[in-house]
Order: sequence, then structure tokens, then C-alpha cells
Amino acid sequence: GNSVTQMEGPVTLSEEAFLTINCTYTATGYPSLFWYVQYPGEGLQLLLKATKADDKGSNKGFEATYRKETTSFHLEKGSVQVSDSAVYFCALNRGFKTIFGAGTRLFVKA
Amino acid sequence: DVKVTQSSRYLVKRTGEKVFLECVQDMDHENMFWYRQDPGLGLRLIYFSYDVKMKEKGDIPEGYSVSREKKERFSLILESASTNQTSMYLCASSFEESDTQYFGPGTRLTVL
Repeated sequence: GNSVTQMEGPVTLSEEAFLTINCTYTATGYPSLFWYVQYPGEGLQLLLKATKADDKGSNKGFEATYRKETTSFHLEKGSVQVSDSAVYFCALNRGFKTIFGAGTRLFVKA
Repeated sequence: DVKVTQSSRYLVKRTGEKVFLECVQDMDHENMFWYRQDPGLGLRLIYFSYDVKMKEKGDIPEGYSVSREKKERFSLILESASTNQTSMYLCASSFEESDTQYFGPGTRLTVL
């Protein structure tokens, strides 16, 4: 079946550090892949997405590349800020259903 | 901007009560969804609707029902609340089938 596995948190970084959050997926066919972010006290919002192999999604300094050969969609940012502290969810979409990973909590210290 | 609103941010109910959670979206989206969010489990789909009066079960529909009488409104109903339904409930909507989902702020429900 379809599933998403992402690295467990929490991840704690100092401001300006490099961020990687790993995400791998299992799916039939070619799903769309997403990263959503949830700031404290809010619902999820789209961070970036990619709809086909080798596509790179990017937004607010975050990037992720759809790697079909490794079934991965790792999230990266070159220099994190305190305001990036949130929970990050990797997700894949097959038709009406979106399958979410368990979420990775990121803490960024000043 | 798409706006998805949920009727309550926090709700406390007693075991056996009937509970209604309301969700409204203002962007004429066809599809609406109800999820519950629990620590370590991510989001799990309870029900979704792809048109007025249409509904489909998600992965964990037991103990829940839904209603969609108008395109902009999607209600989640707990017929007889139980303590294991204590959770964060998130509503979402999307325009097309495989499209980005837009989420409301969530309702944290506690069943005592």
C-alpha cells in the first residue's frame, strides 16, 4: 500500500544551521509529493510540492527534490531561523487520498 | 486567500454526548476532508466528500459520521463520544482531486 516514512524528531538546531528532514515513500504509480508545515496553534499549510520525478519544489528557502529512483523527497534549508520552529509533514497524494507521515518537530535556538 | 474555518478551537464533552464539529470554506472547493491528528501518528483521514451530499469513508470512520448539505460546509458528527475520540480534529478542502489541501486551525476535543 501507500505509505510515508519521515525521520523522527524532535530535531534541535541552532540558528543558521543546515536542515535536512528525510522522507521516503512507498506508492504505486507516480504520486504527487508535498511538504506541509504546522506552526504552533495552527492547522497545516503547504510548504512546497512536486508532481513528477526530478521536479524540485521550493519556498521560503526550503527545497525538496522528487527522487523516483530512491523514492525520497527530503526537505532541506541552508540556514534555519527561529521562526522555522514548527512540525513538518511529508505527504503523498493518490487521487482523493493524501497519506501523511508522522511529522517531525523542529526546534531552532537563537 | 483560501479560508477554512472551524466552529470551535477547544471543546470539552462528556462520554456519550453527541458532538458536532463544523467546517466552512470560502473558495468554492469541491472536496472537503476531516482528519484527526494524534502524536506520533500524523494525520488520519476519517471521511471525505467530493460533492454536496456525497461522502466516502476514510481510513478510520468508525464512531463518526458526516454531513454535507451545502458545498461550503462539511460537518463531522460523533454520535456518542468516547474517551478514545479525544484528539485534534482538522478540516481541509481542495479544488481538484490531487491538489493541495487547505486546512482549518483545528478543534481540540477532549472527551471526559
